[in-house]
Amino acid sequence: DIQMTQSPSSLSASVGDRVTITCRASQSISNYLNWYHQKPGKAPKLLIYASSSLQSGVPSRFSGSGSGTDFTLTISSLQPEDFATYLCQQSYSPPYTFGQGTKLGIK
Amino acid sequence: QVQLQESGPGLVKPSETLSLSCTVSGGSVSSDSSSWNWIRQAPGKGLEWIGYIYYTGTTNYNPSLKSRVTISVDTSKNQFSLKLSSVTAADTAVYYCARQMATMLYYLDYWGQGTLVTVSS
Repeated sequence: DIQMTQSPSSLSASVGDRVTITCRASQSISNYLNWYHQKPGKAPKLLIYASSSLQSGVPSRFSGSGSGTDFTLTISSLQPEDFATYLCQQSYSPPYTFGQGTKLGIK
Repeated sequence: QVQLQESGPGLVKPSETLSLSCTVSGGSVSSDSSSWNWIRQAPGKGLEWIGYIYYTGTTNYNPSLKSRVTISVDTSKNQFSLKLSSVTAADTAVYYCARQMATMLYYLDYWGQGTLVTVSS
């Protein structure tokens, strides 16, 4: 299985901050990397697919980059509704695997 | 707008079979460009992909669960289903169904709200 490792596991930030979350794959996954966020008691919501493509309806403050094994999700200016857990997922090869999550909290 | 809704018992006894269904609205399980997935999340844990099915019946299961999992599709009802046999407390989780776009790229774009299944006697 391809292991996905996110960093940091948690971070605190303020509204308006720029935030970057990193995801590393245990082997090359080309650009088959998706980002979701999840709020307590809710299903994950797709933000970015194929490393850098913004899902329809997702605000442009979210962006993604990377290829191969190293990927980043950037939120350019945090909004109150962005405080959630962020997850990466590889869709390169089944079994599809997720990172352990990055919990983004309010400073 | 595609919507998915899980249904099934919220409590299953150890050693029995967990059975869930996912009803799709606003879209068709017979789509060539989609696979239909099950994912679970144990309390306080991360997400675990269980498997998928295409409308043709083609499946792919997580090897960690493969011996116990069956995913099926009913195109007449626009539903797909999950069966997980010989359950233990370790199978207690929120179970999600989700659509995966499966053209050149693969991503889970629509999810059900999730249903908690507890394994307990």
